[in-house]
Amino acid sequence: DAKTTQPPSMDCAEGRAANLPCNHSTISGNEYVYWYRQIHSQGPQYIIHGLKNNETNEMASLIITEDRKSSTLILPHATLRDTAVYYCIVSFSLYSSNTGKLIFGQGTTLQVKP
Amino acid sequence: DSGVTQTPKHLITATGQRVTLRCSPRSGDLSVYWYQQSLDQGLQFLIQYYNGEERAKGNILERFSAQQFPDLHSELNLSSLELGDSALYFCASSATGGVLYNEQFFGPGTRLTVL
Repeated sequence: DAKTTQPPSMDCAEGRAANLPCNHSTISGNEYVYWYRQIHSQGPQYIIHGLKNNETNEMASLIITEDRKSSTLILPHATLRDTAVYYCIVSFSLYSSNTGKLIFGQGTTLQVKP
Repeated sequence: DSGVTQTPKHLITATGQRVTLRCSPRSGDLSVYWYQQSLDQGLQFLIQYYNGEERAKGNILERFSAQQFPDLHSELNLSSLELGDSALYFCASSATGGVLYNEQFFGPGTRLTVL
C-alpha cells in the first residue's frame, strides 16, 4: 500500500471551505484514495473515496491530480462539528489484494474556529 | 450510528489478566476488522475476518487472538495483559471485505485500561 503525507494540523474559519492536502506519490494505478475522519475518540468515519476522477458527495469533494500523486479533500462550508483528525489512505488494489485493511497515518488535525 | 456495536464500552483490568471484546457487524456485512488505537502508536490494523475465515493479519501480538462466528459477530481475546495494551479497540465491518472498493463502518470502540 502506498504511503501518504499530510500536514499535521490546519485551521479553518467556520463557514469557509477547508482544503486538506495529501501526497501519495507512490500510488499505483489500481489503488484508491480514501478519506476518513475521527472526531475526538469516536470510531473513524468514512468520508469519500476516488480512483481517478474528482468525486463529490453530501459531505465533501475529492480532487485528485491528473498524475494521481496528490489529492485534496474539500469541506465546502466547515462547521465546528467538522473539527477532527482527517486521514488520507491509499489502499485496495483492485486485482492483487483481497483485503480491505486500512493503514492509517498520523492524519491532519483540522481545527474549525468560530 | 454506524450500525456496528461493540461491548463493553469500558474495561478496567489488571496486568496478567485475560479479556474478551465483542463486536457485532452491520447487518449483512461479511467482513470484520479489528484496530487498536494507542496514544503512541496511533490507529493500527490488527486482523480481518471475512465470512468466518481469517483474511489478513496486521500488527497483532501473539497474546491476542480473534475469531468470527457463524452469526458473523467477532471476538477479540487479549491475554497476559500488559500496561502497554491499554488502548481503544475498534471494530469495523464492510460488505465486501476488500474485493474492489469497500467502505468500512466503525463501532464506538472499547476502551481498555490495564492497571
